[in-house]
Amino acid sequence: AQSVTQPDIHITVSEGASLELRCNYSYGATPYLFWYVQSPGQGLQLLLKYFSGDTLVQGIKGFEAEFKRSQSSFNLRKPSVHWSDAAEYFCAVGGANNLFFGTGTRLTVIP
Amino acid sequence: DAGVIQSPRHEVTEMGQEVTLRCKPISGHNSLFWYRQTMMRGLELLIYFNNNVPIDDSGMPEDRFSAKMPNASFSTLKIQPSEPRDSAVYFCASSPRGLNTEAFFGQGTRLTVV
Repeated sequence: AQSVTQPDIHITVSEGASLELRCNYSYGATPYLFWYVQSPGQGLQLLLKYFSGDTLVQGIKGFEAEFKRSQSSFNLRKPSVHWSDAAEYFCAVGGANNLFFGTGTRLTVIP
Repeated sequence: DAGVIQSPRHEVTEMGQEVTLRCKPISGHNSLFWYRQTMMRGLELLIYFNNNVPIDDSGMPEDRFSAKMPNASFSTLKIQPSEPRDSAVYFCASSPRGLNTEAFFGQGTRLTVV
């Protein structure tokens, strides 16, 4: 069965520090992988996506993610976090008729 | 393009009443999705349309929920009768080519059933 696990419910980092949000997935075929960000009271915005090819993908707002098939992971990274990055982050895995979301990781940025 | 437009943004209704949520997808997108977001269950796909045809409605919780897409530019999600446990944020999203491509989300409708 398809599933997405985001093991960290809440992460706090200092502004300027590096960030890594974890995502593990279970999917029977080659997955389509996404990271979305949701600010309070807003819809979800796509940060980046992986379909095939280079396993390191670049997204908007300075984010990147690396697909590791052997670990079934698609972790999101940013080298230097800004206060405006505080939000909820969702990993998702897509198939033919569904898009499964993880439960999200809430990011708090402290000055 | 204005993006995916949902209305209303907030809805408060009494238990037993009919509720209709509306969505206008991005022009040219042929896939439309309805999601429900709650603290307990996270984001759940309720139903998925492709070219105005429902493809997968297995996520619709029960018969009280129904969704329609009469044309490429409009969809509704109806709950009749509503119950307090239906309180959630309902998102509509559209994409150009189905679930394997980027889904663009609306800002959601926050539904409160009292």
